[in-house]
Amino acid sequence: GDSVTQTEGQVTVSESKSLIINCTYSTTSIAYPNLFWYVRYPGEGLQLLLKVITAGQKGSSRGFEATYNKETTSFHLQKASVQESDSAVYYCALGDRGSGGSNYKLTFGKGTLLTVTP
Amino acid sequence: EAAVTQSPRNKVTVTGGNVTLSCRQTNSHNYMYWYRQDTGHGLRLIHYSYGAGNLQIGDVPDGYKATRTTQEDFFLLLELASPSQTSLYFCASSWGGGNTLYFGAGTRLSVL
Repeated sequence: GDSVTQTEGQVTVSESKSLIINCTYSTTSIAYPNLFWYVRYPGEGLQLLLKVITAGQKGSSRGFEATYNKETTSFHLQKASVQESDSAVYYCALGDRGSGGSNYKLTFGKGTLLTVTP
Repeated sequence: EAAVTQSPRNKVTVTGGNVTLSCRQTNSHNYMYWYRQDTGHGLRLIHYSYGAGNLQIGDVPDGYKATRTTQEDFFLLLELASPSQTSLYFCASSWGGGNTLYFGAGTRLSVL
């Protein structure tokens, strides 16, 4: 099956400090994975933060970056300097852009709550 | 901009009660999904559909029914609600094929 493992629970970072949230994926069926980071701000639904569909490529948005590493099956989320407004839950997700059996859905990690303190 | 609207935003019911959660998308997407979000489990897929009248079973379907009445509307039905169904429910739409999902704001359901 498919699975996504990310930094569990809560991460607390002081404002202006750097952030990394780890994400690794595993798949037995997807030949061409799409990788995503979603963010959920309090009281809102999930929204796409960034997406990468090609191994070796980097995605970036709102100061966040993630590189699709097929060798280590990782897609870690990084930001050089966080702000209080970045406080939210972050989800890593895996999708299948091919014609495989699981191409109808995304598989999500459990989510990581980021709290940025002043 | 993509739009997915869920209603109600909050719902409280009793064990054995009958609940319907509604979702409407104006994206002209083929696929619609119902996920539940629980602490320690992430998002888990309940049911999904790839068009009006179509219904597919997700990963955690027990105790849930769903119906896709139109391209825009997708409903989740809990006919005999149980406390284990207390959760945050998200509806989403997409073109499918592992593509970007667009989510609603969520419905928080409490079953007492």
